[in-house]
Amino acid sequence: DTGVSQDPRHKITKRGQNVTFRCDPISEHNRLYWYRQTLGQGPEFLTYFQNEAQLEKSRLLSDRFSAERPKGSFSTLEIQRTEQGDSAMYLCASSLGAYGDGYTFGSGTRLTVV
Amino acid sequence: ELKVEQNPLFLSMQEGKNYTIYCNYSTTSDRLYWYRQDPGKSLESLFVLLSNGAVKQEGRLMASLDTKARLSTLHITAAVHDLSATYFCAVDRPSTSGTYKYIFGTGTRLKVLA
Repeated sequence: DTGVSQDPRHKITKRGQNVTFRCDPISEHNRLYWYRQTLGQGPEFLTYFQNEAQLEKSRLLSDRFSAERPKGSFSTLEIQRTEQGDSAMYLCASSLGAYGDGYTFGSGTRLTVV
Repeated sequence: ELKVEQNPLFLSMQEGKNYTIYCNYSTTSDRLYWYRQDPGKSLESLFVLLSNGAVKQEGRLMASLDTKARLSTLHITAAVHDLSATYFCAVDRPSTSGTYKYIFGTGTRLKVLA
């Protein structure tokens, strides 16, 4: 297993367009998280999946954001009608337990909205 | 609301010198995590501290946790240029969904000068 994979690594889009990111967690990890990191800040929690169920969403996740994890494997994060304020690094992480060894983060998807 | 603060925010130090980064958090937690982030990259796990008094060392870095003081330190010994990066601490918080989500500190940007 090569860790948590995210695709694409970089995405430049025009304001108003829709974008979708993909995350492939470590195969045996049942917990998957999305975080967002803006420039110069620490990551902030967006949403959490246990298997295929989305169990928690941050208030940061507006109606324009939707995340799925069909079949409890990979996850997608879609942003509709992108705004310049959506420009950030979107980080996916997975874990086996609730805590302990902590998360394994993916390489991230850097979104730039122009 | 849990707050996690790091200081200093920026640190420029000479090679060979020692320094300490501090991470303070506002509410009770028994677990704390340190991550390293290189520019444009994702987060690399450095240390997982799971109890009061925990101390872990890896190379020139040593981390400790004092849960009573709500303080963790990351000590750098005889710094080298390769340690230049941004360092984040994170505290996990239980959520209603049955998992733990991370609250990250503001980050400390370290630059080691030759």
